[in-house]
Amino acid sequence: QVQLVESGGGVVQPGSSLRLSCEASGFSFRSFAMHWVRQAPGKGLEWVTTISYDGTYTYISDSLKGRFTISRDNPKKTLYLQMDRLGAEDTALYYCARGSKELDYWGQGTLVIVSS
Amino acid sequence: EIVMTQSPATLSVSPGERATLSCRASQSVSSNFAWYQQKTGQAPRLLIYGGSSRASGIPDRFSGGGSGTEFTLTISSLQSEDFAVYFCQQYHDWPYTFGQGTTLDI
Repeated sequence: QVQLVESGGGVVQPGSSLRLSCEASGFSFRSFAMHWVRQAPGKGLEWVTTISYDGTYTYISDSLKGRFTISRDNPKKTLYLQMDRLGAEDTALYYCARGSKELDYWGQGTLVIVSS
Repeated sequence: EIVMTQSPATLSVSPGERATLSCRASQSVSSNFAWYQQKTGQAPRLLIYGGSSRASGIPDRFSGGGSGTEFTLTISSLQSEDFAVYFCQQYHDWPYTFGQGTTLDI
């Protein structure tokens, strides 16, 4: 069965960097685009970034350009999100999701808390 | 960016009743549209894609309709496990955008 397991979250100070990972199993990882979506506490869903199946194309929210970078390692079946210069507004549960159009499978998320 | 607006914010219904949720896009998204269900403490789950196609394993009491800018999610006979938050999303253009959510409660 399709499984997506995020890791790498934690409590960090403002201005810090963090790299999230998402390990995939149960499907042909190299065949699907992948996404990061975040959800601030008590809030709605916010699309963050997408990477094409082969990593050729990436798309990112304008508000996060220059700070967040998505990448993938297909042989390792792993998706990454590099987050730099973190601020309190980045505090959220970060989900990875599969989907070449709709997001059909989601992980359980990894929590990032930015606090001094 | 395409703004997705859901209504109502909260819908109070009883088990066995029918519920209709709405989502409006600020410009046409064709049928590049999905509905997700999120229960407390859980990840979102895809319900409907392409505007009206049920995702794998989704009961047929869930149905989606619409195209262009107006979409609906209908739950024909509410079960206790359906009380949750529902989000709409367009994947027609970048950035992908979600609605703010509709809470379905008892």
